[in-house]
Amino acid sequence: NAGVMQNPRHLVRRRGQEARLRCSPMKGHSHVYWYRQLPEEGLKFMVYLQKENIIDESGMPKERFSAEFPKEGPSILRIQQVVRGDSAAYFCASSPAPGGEQYFGPGTRLTVT
Amino acid sequence: AQSVTQLDSQVPVFEEAPVELRCNYSSSVSVYLFWYVQYPNQGLQLLLKYLSGSTLVKGINGFEAEFNKSQTSFHLRKPSVHISDTAEYFCAVKVNTGFQKLVFGTGTRLLVSP
Repeated sequence: NAGVMQNPRHLVRRRGQEARLRCSPMKGHSHVYWYRQLPEEGLKFMVYLQKENIIDESGMPKERFSAEFPKEGPSILRIQQVVRGDSAAYFCASSPAPGGEQYFGPGTRLTVT
Repeated sequence: AQSVTQLDSQVPVFEEAPVELRCNYSSSVSVYLFWYVQYPNQGLQLLLKYLSGSTLVKGINGFEAEFNKSQTSFHLRKPSVHISDTAEYFCAVKVNTGFQKLVFGTGTRLLVSP
């Protein structure tokens, strides 16, 4: 049973470009969570999604950031017009049910130049 | 709102020595408590968790933690560390109703030297 998969593992974007981060949850998991880890900091919750629904986006910046988890395919975290402050590691986690244990992927390290 | 404090940003220790990584939390409601380990350039791996029941929780790799409700603490311990335990350790809490997000501390870097 493959774990949570994230791609790309490393992503370099210039200021103003768009970044798309993908997360494939574990098989049988329909709940996805996105967290951001800034340098020298802990992980901060961004958004919680179920298939086709955003359940809790209280940690998402109000502008430029969006997330989706379509019926088919991976969850996508999209950052438009990236700025240097977006440079961070973005982790995805999945769980089989609400409140279930969250299994983390290896992360995508975004560098904005 | 919940918060987690890990006062020690870095803990150096010699191999085979005991170690304790401190974690204190703040919450007005009951919470679940977790410890995760992050090896360099990898994702987080669950070490152990407290949901209910016995306050002493045993996890993987010889780690254990004790939940102390009166002191709102969940310190992580290992009686004898190995070089391979060198990693970043994160304490996290989650409320046991409704909201599903984990709230993390800032992490403690454990450095084990020979």
